[in-house]
Amino acid sequence: DSGVTQTPKHLITATGQRVTLRCSPRSGDLSVYWYQQSLDQGLQFLIQYYNGEERAKGNILERFSAQQFPDLHSELNLSSLELGDSALYFCASTNRANTEAFFGQGTRLTVV
Amino acid sequence: GQNIDQPTEMTATEGAIVQINCTYQTSGFNGLFWYQQHAGEAPTFLSYNVLDGLEEKGRFSSFLSRSKGYSYLLLKELQMKDSASYLCASGANSGYALNFGKGTSLLVTP
Repeated sequence: DSGVTQTPKHLITATGQRVTLRCSPRSGDLSVYWYQQSLDQGLQFLIQYYNGEERAKGNILERFSAQQFPDLHSELNLSSLELGDSALYFCASTNRANTEAFFGQGTRLTVV
Repeated sequence: GQNIDQPTEMTATEGAIVQINCTYQTSGFNGLFWYQQHAGEAPTFLSYNVLDGLEEKGRFSSFLSRSKGYSYLLLKELQMKDSASYLCASGANSGYALNFGKGTSLLVTP
């Protein structure tokens, strides 16, 4: 158990819909990173939050947004869903030295 | 970001040694990571190298050459449970976000 919690584990939804994925980092970690993993693309960095503020952006679509709350949990919002958004979405938090990232178990999103 | 290149697939025999290579672009380098990922599961941390040389941790070792933009993961005394995808990642993005390669799928055979 990495200490990073993600819910839900599985999500099936229709095209055009909107979903929210939730992540709680390890106790004491301030950073939350979101990654998308699809079969053909590997793990792609989407966005990072640090202590409530957006810190870095990767390959995140405009239809996607995220935020980090005062209790440090984070939510990733995916809207106007397309079939191609079907993927595993991972959240990770890092130790203070940024020498190790701890991943949650992921949310498997299926868009039908 | 940085391009991470690693072989797509490798096969090795139980009890043997296997070396998985990884090359990366060196600009803005901030550490090289190796992760193991079983299908459908979360990546788990194996190693972190920021200085040149070999880091040994039990059956797994990782090597880094910053001047060559090259790393390898060495797995000794292979076990069937080592069959997994091995992900090489560089920490060169802002905020220390990881840039992952597509992974090397290792199959360990009896």
